[in-house]
Amino acid sequence: DQQVKQNSPSLSVQEGRISILNCDYTNSMFDYFLWYKKYPAEGPTFLISISSIKDKNEDGRFTVFLNKSAKHLSLHIVPSQPGDSAVYFCAASASAGGTSYGKLTFGQGTILTVHP
Amino acid sequence: KAGVTQTPRYLIKTRGQQVTLSCSPISGHRSVSWYQQTPGQGLQFLFEYFSETQRNKGNFPGRFSGRQFSNSRSEMNVSTLELGDSALYLCASSWTGRNGGELFFGEGSRLTVL
Repeated sequence: DQQVKQNSPSLSVQEGRISILNCDYTNSMFDYFLWYKKYPAEGPTFLISISSIKDKNEDGRFTVFLNKSAKHLSLHIVPSQPGDSAVYFCAASASAGGTSYGKLTFGQGTILTVHP
Repeated sequence: KAGVTQTPRYLIKTRGQQVTLSCSPISGHRSVSWYQQTPGQGLQFLFEYFSETQRNKGNFPGRFSGRQFSNSRSEMNVSTLELGDSALYLCASSWTGRNGGELFFGEGSRLTVL
């Protein structure tokens, strides 16, 4: 049972354009969502997060949007740069019941390629 | 400040053997989590330790175990290795392990079981 899904295995965009990465979740208990970026042979690096009490969070070129009714979140990167080429993971956690300690549920990842 | 350090980075074992992986968290971080990454299953949560106590556990068999020391360093052990245990094992640390604080990951220990 995959509770966090990233349905697009890959995405290719031109430098300077917008990259939109999507993520869907099924567990209504999730109340905190994060995006991580991963380069080959490195561990995931935190990018941006959003609490379920918000619907948008911005940090520089990165913006995360959360649509709770649709159980959907997206990461927008504007403008995209070749250095953004990496695997992007969506992750979620649920704070209720003490099950959140150190536990993130990850999607399968989307490979983003930004062409110069 | 120094990041999360995992050792060894690469190792090869044979079926039936056991393996111990080590993780040193970021200074001051008291929560250490372990994850397994495989091509088929993605990133899956193994367990989390805080102040030498396991507070949370994922759905892995008892062959997978861990511990945390008083200096917050952590080890995980896999006994009676199976071919399917071949994976990248990632350690992550945070201040408390609760919501609101992102996890900081190490570069991982890549285990190959032959």
